[in-house]
Amino acid sequence: NFVLTQPHSVSESPGRTVTISCTGSGGSFASTSVQWYQQRPGSAPTIVIHDDDQRPSGVPDRFSGSTDSSANSASLTISGLKTEDEADYYCQSYDTYNSHVVFGGGTKLTVL
Amino acid sequence: QVQLVESGGGVAQPGRSLRLSCAASGFTFRSYGLHWVRRTPGKGLEWVALVSSDGSEKYYAGSVKGRFTISRDNSKSTVYVQMNSLRVEDTAVYYCARDRDGYGNFDFWGQGTLVTVSP
Repeated sequence: NFVLTQPHSVSESPGRTVTISCTGSGGSFASTSVQWYQQRPGSAPTIVIHDDDQRPSGVPDRFSGSTDSSANSASLTISGLKTEDEADYYCQSYDTYNSHVVFGGGTKLTVL
Repeated sequence: QVQLVESGGGVAQPGRSLRLSCAASGFTFRSYGLHWVRRTPGKGLEWVALVSSDGSEKYYAGSVKGRFTISRDNSKSTVYVQMNSLRVEDTAVYYCARDRDGYGNFDFWGQGTLVTVSP
């Protein structure tokens, strides 16, 4: 089974840059894509990155995504941090072996 | 604009059943796969089930397989999940989500409906 592992939490100061990692095991990012979702307390998730590094319209260009096939990992980078970026962030991919969707465990971002 | 509105959540005892609905509008419903995803207290997001655009293919997470059934009615632009033999660990906010490319690329989510399973 494809499993995605994220750090439980990260914290950074306003205006700084933070990177959240997502490491895959039991599957390969090379054969599928990675998405990133933001979920604020009490709200539904919203997509901030799709297809590894594509930003949906309306998402600030402070958000960027990348993948490293050799390390089987993906990263979400948020620059110029704002207090409104404080949320849980989830990476997500697809297990082509069994057609199951997989989520990482989520990373709580604190901006202080 | 795209809207997904879930309903049917509530409180149930272990072993009982609930059926959730998700009414869609603002897009060509029959062209998209739909998923159910849940957020459990303290555990994050967990994918639950997928139904393909025409309803011919269905997939389930191992934790719900054999107990939950996903279905859709393209004439009503609605997706359902029938949840039987509920367990305490099924307590969660359940979201429906639209799949933009068939590979779990969720571009729109509903607001969620809370299911609480308690003795």
